[in-house]
Amino acid sequence: EVQLVESGGGLVKPGGSLRLSCAASGLTFGTVWMGWVRQAPGKGLEWVGRIKANAFAGATDYAAPVQGRFTISRDDSKNTLDLQMNSLKTEDTAVYYCVKTAISDSVFDYWGQGTLVTVSS
Amino acid sequence: EIVLTQFPGTLSLSPGERATLSCRASQSVTSNFLAWYQQKRGQAPRLLIYRASSRATGIPDRFSGSGSGTDFTLTISRLEPEDFAVYYCQHYGSSLWTFGQGTRVEIK
Repeated sequence: EVQLVESGGGLVKPGGSLRLSCAASGLTFGTVWMGWVRQAPGKGLEWVGRIKANAFAGATDYAAPVQGRFTISRDDSKNTLDLQMNSLKTEDTAVYYCVKTAISDSVFDYWGQGTLVTVSS
Repeated sequence: EIVLTQFPGTLSLSPGERATLSCRASQSVTSNFLAWYQQKRGQAPRLLIYRASSRATGIPDRFSGSGSGTDFTLTISRLEPEDFAVYYCQHYGSSLWTFGQGTRVEIK
């Protein structure tokens, strides 16, 4: 059974940094694309970014609001996915979900339970 | 970037009724790379439909997706009590993916 477990959420001041991690199990991690989706309190879903498998050079793409501030990385030897968040803004406050994309279609077929990031002074 | 607009914002229906949810894209979605997700309160979303009309594993056949180009529909043929939730469409046909703002299906 695929499991995705996020960690690293918490309270951070505007302008600060935070690193989220996602531990994956029950899958051949190195072959799948992974990503992050966030949800501000009481709001809808927002795609944050994704990292392709190393067979695709581990290429990354990011949504415009986080481009240049957030970095997604992966460690296939440890089955972990990270999200480094810098220059955080109050509008980055959200639950951050780690997601796995399906092999056949780039849809999110598995989701973690999410970790809350609060950016506030 | 493709912008997805979902309507209506809220749908008030009774169990047993048919629900029709719409998702309109600002430009044509490549190869119908359009998905639907269900999110219940306090839970992570769940994939329902991919490639506009294919049901994900384990999804009941009362859920169906249709459409192409810029107009897509999620239909729930007969609402069960557990179907009252928020539904999101999402496109994945380009390098930048986006979600619609969601449609809430509530009990009338």
